[in-house]
Amino acid sequence: KNQVEQSPQSLIILEGKNCTLQCNYTVSPFSNLRWYKQDTGRGPVSLTIMTFSENTKSNGRYTATLDADTKQSSLHITASQLSDSASYICVVSSDSNYQLIWGAGTKLIIKP
Amino acid sequence: AAGVIQSPRHLIKEKRETATLKCYPIPRHDTVYWYQQGPGQDPQFLISFYEKMQSDKGSIPDRFSAQQFSDYHSELNMSSLELGDSALYFCASSTHSEQYFGPGTRLTVT
Repeated sequence: KNQVEQSPQSLIILEGKNCTLQCNYTVSPFSNLRWYKQDTGRGPVSLTIMTFSENTKSNGRYTATLDADTKQSSLHITASQLSDSASYICVVSSDSNYQLIWGAGTKLIIKP
Repeated sequence: AAGVIQSPRHLIKEKRETATLKCYPIPRHDTVYWYQQGPGQDPQFLISFYEKMQSDKGSIPDRFSAQQFSDYHSELNMSSLELGDSALYFCASSTHSEQYFGPGTRLTVT
């Protein structure tokens, strides 16, 4: 069964600290993996998208990694800011028809 | 575990036709969200329902309407379809924190 699991479920860190969010998937076949940031009451906003051959991709203070062998991805946030408080969702696309399998998200809270 | 179910998975309609998309949330989830994702775009929030009442409204066109029924399933009704309505429509359900997305309905308007 195609699944995407994220951990931790929630995370609280102090402003300025770094953190890493995890995503494990059992989706097959694999097309690409995306990380989204979602603020409460808004639609998800894409942070990174990686295909099978990409190991790492950065977007400002966000760096995503992908290990296609172990089917794991991580999202590393550097020097966190209060505005980083949001849900971070890992989404895996299984085929060219863009069937998306969504993780449940990690709720990140940045405290001053 | 049961997930969010959406039907149909694929739908092809012609311009000016109507379409109804259905969403069945995870049992005991009381909130449903609808999103529209165009090709190469991020999902756009359309509308949400909590306990069968509309709780928030996003960029939903006037041609669209939605409701949540007594069994908590939701339907998105789309009328006078336009070519630009072709997109992936996601439903998500939640209870207190995590939001679980369904697999989406791919609507193609020709």
